[in-house]
Amino acid sequence: GQNIDQPTEMTATEGAIVQINCTYQTSGFNGLFWYQQHAGEAPTFLSYNVLDGLEEKGRFSSFLSRSKGYSYLLLKELQMKDSASYLCAAMDSNYQLIWGAGTKLIIKP
Amino acid sequence: IAGITQAPTSQILAAGRRMTLRCTQDMRHNAMYWYRQDLGLGLRLIHYSNTAGTTGKGEVPDGYSVSRANTDDFPLTLASAVPSQTSVYFCASSDSSGSFGANVLTFGAGSRLTVL
Repeated sequence: GQNIDQPTEMTATEGAIVQINCTYQTSGFNGLFWYQQHAGEAPTFLSYNVLDGLEEKGRFSSFLSRSKGYSYLLLKELQMKDSASYLCAAMDSNYQLIWGAGTKLIIKP
Repeated sequence: IAGITQAPTSQILAAGRRMTLRCTQDMRHNAMYWYRQDLGLGLRLIHYSNTAGTTGKGEVPDGYSVSRANTDDFPLTLASAVPSQTSVYFCASSDSSGSFGANVLTFGAGSRLTVL
């Protein structure tokens, strides 16, 4: 079956770095997405990886290893506004997204 | 309107009643989707539409129906609501041009539905 695994909750300190991991099993693969979702709001797109390696976008970076079925989202210089859930989603061979349950990130001062 | 508008924002409904959740987008995106989000679970696709006039079933379509009469509107109907349909419903759209950008979803703000 198709499956996405990511930690349920993580806690980090303002100004620090945090890495949120995601492992996936899909029928075929057409890319890995990360979305951010603040409580009570809609998910918003953060990043997309289809090739192995690191994609950097400001304070956020995303990494993909297709051979390991593994991705991570790296958040640097954490700010209080980064407190949110981070959703990992893999696109299968039919271009359908398979979503993880999300990682709730709590930032402490 | 900017992006995707969903209505109502929130609704409490008696079991057995019919309910339509409305979704309108102004981005001229070809593809539209309905997801439900439940605590502890990932987003689950209910129905989708790749272009006006066509619809398809997602992962959890039972008890729901959709229509796509034009590009902008994609309503979701619960014919006879049941308590297990209590959830937050998100409408989303994407530009199905075939490039990477085609696969990025823009979400509406969500509709919180409680069925008693």
